[in-house]
Amino acid sequence: QVQLVQSGAEVKKPGASVKVSCKASGYTFTSYDINWVRQATGQGLEWMGWMNPNSGNTGYAQKFQGRVTMTRNTSISTAYMELSSLGSEDTAVYYCAKPRGSTRPKDGMDVWGQGTTVTVSS
Amino acid sequence: DIQMTQSPSTLSASVGDRVTITCRASQSISSWLAWYQQKPGKAPKLLIYKASSLESGVPSRFSGSGSGTEFTLTISSLQPDDFATYCCQQYNSYPWTFGQGTKVEIK
Repeated sequence: QVQLVQSGAEVKKPGASVKVSCKASGYTFTSYDINWVRQATGQGLEWMGWMNPNSGNTGYAQKFQGRVTMTRNTSISTAYMELSSLGSEDTAVYYCAKPRGSTRPKDGMDVWGQGTTVTVSS
Repeated sequence: DIQMTQSPSTLSASVGDRVTITCRASQSISSWLAWYQQKPGKAPKLLIYKASSLESGVPSRFSGSGSGTEFTLTISSLQPDDFATYCCQQYNSYPWTFGQGTKVEIK
């Protein structure tokens, strides 16, 4: 079955960086973008950006420009999201998600990882 | 960025009720809108895409409508498993944006 499996919870100090992984299975990894979405406790969903695993092209929300880097390793069908200069406001659950469509329109996100909790605390 | 505004923020309803949630976009997004259901501690689940297309495996009591800037999600007869938070998301243009969510509670 199509699934995305993310790495485990992280605890980081302010100013540090975190790198979350997302391993895809059950479909051709290079055929669909990977999106990253985060959710702070009790808050709504916040889209962070996308990555095309085939080309490596990326697009980031302006809020995260300069702080986020999305990469991939196609040999192991894994995407990564690294967020730097962490602050307490970055404490959230981070999800990777696959769009329903391989080309535009993407038609939403039909497969999600289980989420990775990132806690930023001194 | 396109802002998505949902109403109401919270909705109290009983099993069997018809429930309608509204999502408004700050500019036209054609029909490029998705609806998700989310339960506590779980990832969102895609219910509707392209404003009115039902995702495979989603019960037919869920339906979506609208285009342009105004959209609705309707649950025709609320079931116990439907008590959750629902949110809309536009994918007309980057950055993709979500509504703030509507929590459907037991009355």
